[in-house]
Amino acid sequence: QQQVKQSPQSLIVQKGGISIINCAYENTAFDYFPWYQQFPGKGPALLIAIRPDVSEKKEGRFTISFNKSAKQFSLHIMDSQPGDSATYFCAATVSGGGADGLTFGKGTHLIIQP
Amino acid sequence: DVKVTQSSRYLVKRTGEKVFLECVQDMDHENMFWYRQDPGLGLRLIYFSYDVKMKEKGDIPEGYSVSREKKERFSLILESASTNQTSMYLCASSPVGNYGYTFGSGTRLTVV
Repeated sequence: QQQVKQSPQSLIVQKGGISIINCAYENTAFDYFPWYQQFPGKGPALLIAIRPDVSEKKEGRFTISFNKSAKQFSLHIMDSQPGDSATYFCAATVSGGGADGLTFGKGTHLIIQP
Repeated sequence: DVKVTQSSRYLVKRTGEKVFLECVQDMDHENMFWYRQDPGLGLRLIYFSYDVKMKEKGDIPEGYSVSREKKERFSLILESASTNQTSMYLCASSPVGNYGYTFGSGTRLTVV
């Protein structure tokens, strides 16, 4: 059972444009939603995270939008740059419930064209 | 610079071999995890550990076992490697109650 659905699988955006990656979850107990960025040959690295008590979190050019009623959250990359080209994973978990591990989406391969 | 170190970047093993993948973290984290990453399937949890000598099955534990004899070291064991275990294996760690995992760079295992 896939608990976190991520789309699209791949995305091509022109430099300076807005990249948008979407995720939907099923488990209403999830209360922590991070995004990870992975460059080729590297492990994923935490990019930004949100809890459902807020609808938006912004860090620099990266913004998470969260819609609790729809059970959806998305990553927006403003003014996308070639250096943002990477694979992005959304994830979710029930915090405080023990070290159960994050449930990841299947990833989005993002290419920013110069 | 804190980090998670996986002992091998690339491994090639034969079918039926016993394979050990080692992971060491220097952050004194309680929690450690093993994931496998496959194209189109994302990251899938194999096993995790929240304390020394403790282990819990993740979503896809079949064909794998783990060992955590020391807090900083978490080993993944393939008892009898099979070709369907060819994959990228990622180790991660986190402190208790913190889900900002730190990942290693991964071990790309090929079973022939």
